[in-house]
Amino acid sequence: GNSVTQMEGPVTLSEEAFLTINCTYTATGYPSLFWYVQYPGEGLQLLLKATKADDKGSNKGFEATYRKETTSFHLEKGSVQVSDSAVYFCALSDRGTSYGKLTFGQGTILTVHP
Amino acid sequence: GAGVSQSPSNKVTEKGKDVELRCDPISGHTALYWYRQSLGQGLEFLIYFQGNSAPDKSGLPSDRFSAERTGGSVSTLTIQRTQQEDSAVYLCASSLEGLAYEQYFGPGTRLTVT
Repeated sequence: GNSVTQMEGPVTLSEEAFLTINCTYTATGYPSLFWYVQYPGEGLQLLLKATKADDKGSNKGFEATYRKETTSFHLEKGSVQVSDSAVYFCALSDRGTSYGKLTFGQGTILTVHP
Repeated sequence: GAGVSQSPSNKVTEKGKDVELRCDPISGHTALYWYRQSLGQGLEFLIYFQGNSAPDKSGLPSDRFSAERTGGSVSTLTIQRTQQEDSAVYLCASSLEGLAYEQYFGPGTRLTVT
């Protein structure tokens, strides 16, 4: 079956630090990959996506590259802000199905201090 | 336009009671998903609707859980004879047909079973 493994948190950084949150996956098909973010008190939001190998998803200064050879989709940001404090979820959708049933990682809590 | 809405936002119920959770998807979104977010299990898929039919119910944890969708719009998730392990945040998401991976999530219903 499909599974997603994220680096365990929580992650605590100072403002302007570099961020990496690791994500690896196992899938029977050829998945699409996503990062979702959940800000305090808000619902899940799609942060970025990649639908095929070597695609790079990017949004709000965050980037992640779909690496088929290492089955990874690590999230990076060069300079984090306090406003980036949130829970980040890596997820996949098996494109072998005709719909977007998502399999999520456990989530990583990020706290950024001024 | 309006996003996905869910009601109630919070529900406290006694063990053994039945509860109904409601989801109003974004207008025009034919696909609708229910997920559950709990401390022990993370984010789990429950059920997928395309229109009013549910081709994938594989995530429903027991026969105490059921869901329906009417008019291709509103969906209700019903939990009968609630148990303490049902305590979680229940999330609803919707998407356009053909863009199944771009799911828009509601704020969730926090269910507490006492």
